[in-house]
Amino acid sequence: IVLTQSPGILSLSPGERATLSCRASQSLNNNYLAWYQQRPGQAPRLLISGATNRATGIPDRFWGTGSGTDFTLIISRLEPEDFAVYYCQQYSHTPRTFGQGTKVEIK
Amino acid sequence: QVRLQESGPRLVKPSETLSLTCTVSGDSMKTYYWNWIRQSPGKGLEWVAYLYHNGISDYNPSLRGRAAMSLDSSKGQFSLTLSSVTAADTAVYYCATLLPASAFDVWGQGALVTVSS
Repeated sequence: IVLTQSPGILSLSPGERATLSCRASQSLNNNYLAWYQQRPGQAPRLLISGATNRATGIPDRFWGTGSGTDFTLIISRLEPEDFAVYYCQQYSHTPRTFGQGTKVEIK
Repeated sequence: QVRLQESGPRLVKPSETLSLTCTVSGDSMKTYYWNWIRQSPGKGLEWVAYLYHNGISDYNPSLRGRAAMSLDSSKGQFSLTLSSVTAADTAVYYCATLLPASAFDVWGQGALVTVSS
């Protein structure tokens, strides 16, 4: 399954709302879609699983929505530490695949 | 909280075998599916393989049978070998945990492996 993320780069200011999209080439069973955040020099960190469920310790400004083939990650108010690359990943079908990433940069 | 740490040679010659080990602390080797994921500039994030303590395993078909995983519960470690490597296998290799029907929860810090003569 191919995951296509858009936009490739999102330029925003702290305090603004970020909306990231992930589209799957086939419908995902049980909305098995995850979102990860990766800061420079670090491993990816799980934010959201099951399309909408925040992982332990993830702030509630991170929201996941969507079903089927279209999914969205929303960051309601960007904090300085949120400027990073975000990846979606599906675990509905094998092999598990990742999107190519959306970079959220400071405007 | 489980913690993971990758180790192994960081420079491998083309056509040789890449070997990495992930040391697990903080939880039982029977809790998770143990995974390898790699990240290269050209291909982004790519799931490589997983292994469960009872021997259940799965590999990414893109590796065309070159990958193999093993687990040593007595040492709290699991390993990856990747044979016949080329420059395209140059990547940061991460070990990561997985529960059934779930996402990759905990990741190691990653190990950059370069394939070069």
